[in-house]
Amino acid sequence: DAKTTQPPSMDCAEGRAANLPCNHSTISGNEYVYWYRQIHSQGPQYIIHGLKNNETNEMASLIITEDRKSSTLILPHATLRDTAVYYCIVRGTGANNLFFGTGTRLTVIP
Amino acid sequence: DAGVIQSPRHEVTERGQEVTLRCKPISGHNSLFWYRQTMMRGLELLIYFNNNVPIDDSGMPEDRFSAKMPNASFSTLKIQPSEPRDSAVYFCASSSGGAGDTQYFGPGTRLTVL
Repeated sequence: DAKTTQPPSMDCAEGRAANLPCNHSTISGNEYVYWYRQIHSQGPQYIIHGLKNNETNEMASLIITEDRKSSTLILPHATLRDTAVYYCIVRGTGANNLFFGTGTRLTVIP
Repeated sequence: DAGVIQSPRHEVTERGQEVTLRCKPISGHNSLFWYRQTMMRGLELLIYFNNNVPIDDSGMPEDRFSAKMPNASFSTLKIQPSEPRDSAVYFCASSSGGAGDTQYFGPGTRLTVL
């Protein structure tokens, strides 16, 4: 699976949009971009995934660039409960493993 | 839906003791995964079952580790004998469509081996 690069940490003001970037320049055509987050002392939580098109669900939006070499996870109105480590994962459909890497630690500030 | 259920949530034991971790996947899911998380190594896949059959156990660190899935609603991860280096948080995850489908994680079991 392709490797991803994320900033180690970010801050965001409560109520503002949080935009978390991810670079995956070696992504293959059949690999999806997944986002998970892990709130302290909890299990990883699935957020969203996409292949080429932008995706939106009740938690977040995923914007994938046209060349698919990078993506951005958007939390439209961050709350204190969104403070967590966010993982961007690139994964083929046949892959067993989720390689979590080190992720981005997002801190939402009151 | 209750989500993935793991027990116990916390386990403290002494070196050499047997430890058994338990997992109940989401009903209807046919794939189950055991992961281990440590500060040094992050999240690592230990073993993956599909339709109750172990498919990939290449991540199991040593023969001291074993996993079973006797039916679609229950799995165990056993460590015998346990060592202090086994201290970690162990997560179970399940998915509905095989390895490539979205995985949903349980709350984890925090294991401390003294």
